[in-house]
Amino acid sequence: NAGVMQNPRHLVRRRGQEARLRCSPMKGHSHVYWYRQLPEEGLKFMVYLQKENIIDESGMPKERFSAEFPKEGPSILRIQQVVRGDSAAYFCASSPRHQGNTEAFFGQGTRLTVV
Amino acid sequence: AQRVTQPEKLLSVFKGAPVELKCNYSYSGSPELFWYVQYSRQRLQLLLRHISRESIKGFTADLNKGETSFHLKKPFAQEEDSAMYYCALSRDAGNMLTFGGGTRLMVKP
Repeated sequence: NAGVMQNPRHLVRRRGQEARLRCSPMKGHSHVYWYRQLPEEGLKFMVYLQKENIIDESGMPKERFSAEFPKEGPSILRIQQVVRGDSAAYFCASSPRHQGNTEAFFGQGTRLTVV
Repeated sequence: AQRVTQPEKLLSVFKGAPVELKCNYSYSGSPELFWYVQYSRQRLQLLLRHISRESIKGFTADLNKGETSFHLKKPFAQEEDSAMYYCALSRDAGNMLTFGGGTRLMVKP
């Protein structure tokens, strides 16, 4: 099991472009969580998805951000019309279930830079 | 709303010295607390969780509900303990976590 895979590792976008961040969970994991880490800060929860469903998006900005986790393929975090303030490291984690003494495994993150 | 505070951004100790990384939380319910660690160039990984009440790599952490703290301790630091440490809280015993800002531990030879 290769672990949670995120790509790309580094992404540079100009202001106004779209950014697509991908997360392939570990085999057998159907729960995916996205976190954002701004410079010099801790990770902030964004959204929790379970195959084809958004369970909790309480940490997602109201505009420009969306997430999906289709039946087939990776989870995608999409940021439209990026701005400088979107520059951050975005981490994805996956787990086989949400609760019950289960660990979330993290990917290595995607570092987004908006120029 | 829940909140996790790690007051020290950097903690520097000598090898063999005791270590305590502080973590305070605010949450009105019964949270589950975790410590995560990120070694250089590696992924964030779970170090320990309070419900397990176990010692991992010599580290222990006790949940003090009166002081709303979950400090991480190790009696004798090793150089390989140098890493970023994040305290985290779950309000529903699940994996939607609230993280503290992190403490960088540097263990000097």
